[in-house]
Formats: sequence, C-alpha cells, structure tokens
Amino acid sequence: GAGVSQSPRYKVAKRGQDVALRCDPISGHVSLFWYQQALGQGPEFLTYFQNEAQLDKSGLPSDRFFAERPEGSVSTLKIQRTQQEDSAVYLCASSLTSGTLDYEQYFGPGTRLTVT
Amino acid sequence: LAKTTQPISMDSYEGQEVNITCSHNNIATNDYITWYQQFPSQGPRFIIQGYKTKVTNEVASLFIPADRKSSTLSLPRVSLSDTAVYYCLVGDPPNQGGKLIFGQGTELSVKP
Repeated sequence: GAGVSQSPRYKVAKRGQDVALRCDPISGHVSLFWYQQALGQGPEFLTYFQNEAQLDKSGLPSDRFFAERPEGSVSTLKIQRTQQEDSAVYLCASSLTSGTLDYEQYFGPGTRLTVT
Repeated sequence: LAKTTQPISMDSYEGQEVNITCSHNNIATNDYITWYQQFPSQGPRFIIQGYKTKVTNEVASLFIPADRKSSTLSLPRVSLSDTAVYYCLVGDPPNQGGKLIFGQGTELSVKP
C-alpha cells in the first residue's frame, strides 16, 4: 500500500520567502507528526496532530512556523519569511493510533528545504 | 526524559554480526526501548521495540538486561544495504504526546 508522501521533495527559497510543505499520511492514520532534521543530526519534533486537532506544537521554533490539518488527513507545514537557519529536511510521519503503545511511526521521505 | 548514549559510528564487513549498544541509565519504569533505521535521503524506519529481556523479529534482535539501563541491537550477517544510521529511543510516547525523541544515532558503515 501507499506510504507517507511529501511534496515537494526539494525546495529552494530565497530568504524572506514563504514556503508550504505538504504531507499525505497513510490513509486512516489518526496521528500525524512533523519533524525537522538538520544535517548530521537526528530528527527533532515540531508538532503533532490527532485527526484535525493540533495537540502539541511545542517544538515549533518560532511563530513563523505554522501547521494545519483541516480535514484530519493531509497536512501542510508553512514557514513564513524563511531564514537561513530554517534550511533542513522536514519529515512527516503518521501512526495508526494515538495514546497507546503503538510506537511505530511511518515516515515520509522528507522535504529538503534550502534557504539562500 | 531518559537520555540515550550510543556510539557515533561503527564499521563492519559483510556477513558479520553487528551489535550496537545504547546506554539509558535514567530509563523510567514505563519507558520502552525502540530502534529506528535511517538510510540517506529517506525518513527513519521502525526496526524493533522491547521492554525487557529479548525481542526478535525478521530484521534484528534486541537484548535488554534486567536493570534495563542499556540495550543492544543485534543485526545478524549484515550486508552493504545495512549501511545506515541507527537510532535508539527511550520513552513513553503516550506520555510525551506521541512524539519520538531522537539522539544523534550510530552511523553504521558496512564494507565489502
């Protein structure tokens, strides 16, 4: 079956531009997560949705970062007025259940954002 | 949250068994131990998870001693395609809002 897909795979933005990154989770998955991965580091949590509700946004680095999942399926991570330090791979993951011992999250391939 | 420590890198040769040990001295009673694998230009992939003793699946084995302060991921007979970064995660995701806490990982290089 189809896994988690993300688009675009690569994005180059000039500093100050706004970008929107899309995530299509596995159909029927309740939970959706966004992570940021800098070069040579492990992924870092940004935000979490359970269906359409954003339950945790504690990892968003600034108010320039905004995420939504209006219908409980597709999610968009938006970054306003991009800065060079925003350059990273942005990973989306989904999982079938929430609040259980189901720790397996399915990750997409990521979007590599480069801010010049 | 329990902090994990694992080697930054390891080298191996095809056909060998590879053991990657992760230290987690402050593991809490409810915490599980989970390992993910990440290939270049891909997202992480779940490998195995355990609470205590030994867990085995078609990909790997996970050994957890009685005190649970460390764990060892064992990859039998590695091939070149096992070259990847391996992350040890410790925690109770339901109590962390479901989020996974990754460290720096162990970069495994398998040579012919």
